Amino acid sequence: QSVMTQPPSASGTPGQRVTISCSGSSSNIGSNTVNWYQQLPGTAPKLLMYSNNHRPSGVPDRFSGSKSGTSASLAISGLQSEDEADYYCAVWDDSLNGLYVFGTGTKVTVL
Amino acid sequence: QVQLVQSGAEVKKPGTSVKVSCRASGYTFTGYYIHWVRQAPGQGLEWMGWISPNSGNTNYAQKFQGRVTMTRDTSISTAYMELNGLTFDDAAVVYCARRGPVAGQLDYWGQGTLVTVST
Repeated sequence: QSVMTQPPSASGTPGQRVTISCSGSSSNIGSNTVNWYQQLPGTAPKLLMYSNNHRPSGVPDRFSGSKSGTSASLAISGLQSEDEADYYCAVWDDSLNGLYVFGTGTKVTVL
Repeated sequence: QVQLVQSGAEVKKPGTSVKVSCRASGYTFTGYYIHWVRQAPGQGLEWMGWISPNSGNTNYAQKFQGRVTMTRDTSISTAYMELNGLTFDDAAVVYCARRGPVAGQLDYWGQGTLVTVST
């Protein structure tokens, strides 16, 4: 059972802005930086964002991340059909002997 | 280019073990931790643990302690994950991933190995 909670789903029409939240605690998000992963249908996860708001090379700048206290969020501006995927936040948790935890995941649908 | 190539799909009986391999290329294998993550059908990602290819040190999620063993063979740049005492609940796609150098992010992933548990 994940210790980080995400909404199960989010949706928008092409061009809209969609935001996904990730709620944690003082031992994980409150103490460490957050990473985000995108998983397109039938494929392996892909790193989308690291250290709260840094995009790996090749990730479009319409993806942005932020963190405040024990919560984090991922925003997709100018939503495109290829953004339809599952999104997971992830962070190291200091209370679990240095273990890595994933959020529950959010399915983004482009209407 | 960095690549992680995993072994093929496995079909196992309950109570047996499965061993998945993850062969790395395009970088110095001993310089980056390898993590293992699994995903049951229709479910989210579940972190299993990591291994340091340099030292062989490991750290496992509490859920899998006593049942999982992660090893590596530096001569062939390959990491292994063995899970014992399989049950139907262990049916999943298992991924290996490299931990990046900056913020503990998993920056490169293998293609996944489907583990089926069936009588």
